[in-house]
Amino acid sequence: KQEVTQIPAALSVPEGENLVLNCSFTDSAIYNLQWFRQDPGKGLTSLLLIQSSQREQTSGRLNASLDKSSGRSTLYIAASQPGDSATYLCAVRRASGTYKYIFGTGTRLKVLA
Amino acid sequence: SAVISQKPSRDICQRGTSLTIQCQVDSQVTMMFWYRQQPGQSLTLIATANQGSEATYESGFVIDKFPISRPNLTFSTLTVSNMSPEDSSIYLCSAPRQGASEAFFGQGTRLTVV
Repeated sequence: KQEVTQIPAALSVPEGENLVLNCSFTDSAIYNLQWFRQDPGKGLTSLLLIQSSQREQTSGRLNASLDKSSGRSTLYIAASQPGDSATYLCAVRRASGTYKYIFGTGTRLKVLA
Repeated sequence: SAVISQKPSRDICQRGTSLTIQCQVDSQVTMMFWYRQQPGQSLTLIATANQGSEATYESGFVIDKFPISRPNLTFSTLTVSNMSPEDSSIYLCSAPRQGASEAFFGQGTRLTVV
C-alpha cells in the first residue's frame, strides 16, 4: 500500500531564504508526482508535475526533483517570500490508467517578512 | 488548465441534515474524483464518479453516507448525508483534462456541522 510522507510538517523561515521540502513514498511504481499549494481553507493549486521518467521540473522560483528508485521528491523554493506562506502537498499517481492520487501529509510553510 | 467550480464554497449545517455539493468542469472529462480533507489532515479519496455508472467508493466510504451523481461528462454532485460534527471537513472535487496527466482541483467546500 502506497504511503506518502512529507518532512518537515511545519517550517518557519525568514524572507529571502532558500528552502527544501521533502516528500517520500513507499512504492516506487508511480506514474507521476505532483506538487500542490493550498492556502488556508482553500482548494489546491497545481505547482509542478513530474512524470516518472523525468528527474526534475522548474517553474519560476520553484524546482522539483524526483528520484523514483529511492522514493523521494524535493521541492526547492528559491528566495522565499511572505506570499509563499501556505501548505505544500505532494501527491503520487498510481499506475497508468487511473487518475487516483495518494497525498502526503503536507508541509505548512510560513515565510516571515 | 481545467477550470473546476464548486458550490457552495462553504456552509454551516445542523447535524442530521444533508448537504449536496456541486462540481462543474469547463470541459468533458471521463472521471471525476471526490476527496475529503479533515481538519489538519491531508486529502483522502472518497470515490471516483464515472459517467453512466455507479461511483466507485474507497475503503471506509459508503454510498448511503456519500451518494454521488454523475449525470453528464461535465458535472457531478456529492451529498453528505445525515451529517455529524465528524463530517466537518473540506470537500474537493478533482478532474483531469482529457489526455493530460495533471490533476486539477476545485476550490473546495468548507463544511462545518454543528
